[in-house]
Amino acid sequence: SQQGEEDPQALSIQEGENATMNCSYKTSINNLQWYRQNSGRGLVHLILIRSNEREKHSGRLRVTLDTSKKSSSLLITASRAADTASYFCATRETSGSRLTFGEGTQLTVNP
Amino acid sequence: KAGVTQTPRYLIKTRGQQVTLSCSPISGHRSVSWYQQTPGQGLQFLFEYFSETQRNKGNFPGRFSGRQFSNSRSEMNVSTLELGDSALYLCASSLVGQTRQAFFGQGTRLTVV
Repeated sequence: SQQGEEDPQALSIQEGENATMNCSYKTSINNLQWYRQNSGRGLVHLILIRSNEREKHSGRLRVTLDTSKKSSSLLITASRAADTASYFCATRETSGSRLTFGEGTQLTVNP
Repeated sequence: KAGVTQTPRYLIKTRGQQVTLSCSPISGHRSVSWYQQTPGQGLQFLFEYFSETQRNKGNFPGRFSGRQFSNSRSEMNVSTLELGDSALYLCASSLVGQTRQAFFGQGTRLTVV
């Protein structure tokens, strides 16, 4: 079963705008990872944030983690048409080895 | 460093047949996990192998099985295929450790007709 819920399910913006996606989860986690998927292809790892971290940056990506609210957000700044993809959060529980994925957010960036 | 390689990329099988999918992890990665992705159920964990042993298993019927070889390459097998097994099957490899960033292959698109 899917632990994570992502919000929104779909997001359409113009190039240059920022995109924010949210993810909620239910159990205690060791870390949370964000992935991108283009048109049903493989998952590309974007960023990993550990449970003891609150914010992390990587290029145009900013991820926050609030373990008290069991939620995370992914911000993509200055979006480009090439950012059009599905974005998934995945949690790795403290007691397990599997990744549990959210349902994903379909991001469309219009040129 | 080569990424995770999955073969074949596409596969069409008939109901009742069986299929074997292959995954070669990144060199040095000893943990291999398999996931099934469908439009209805999303991404679901199938199983994880480490040092040729299954360490974790998802909630799938016994028709789904896997194994890992001494070189860390892994195969998954689905027997008695059903239409609902049509999916993108993704393999991920990772180092062992608390961080355990997972790297995914391009997947095998299985269509059961």
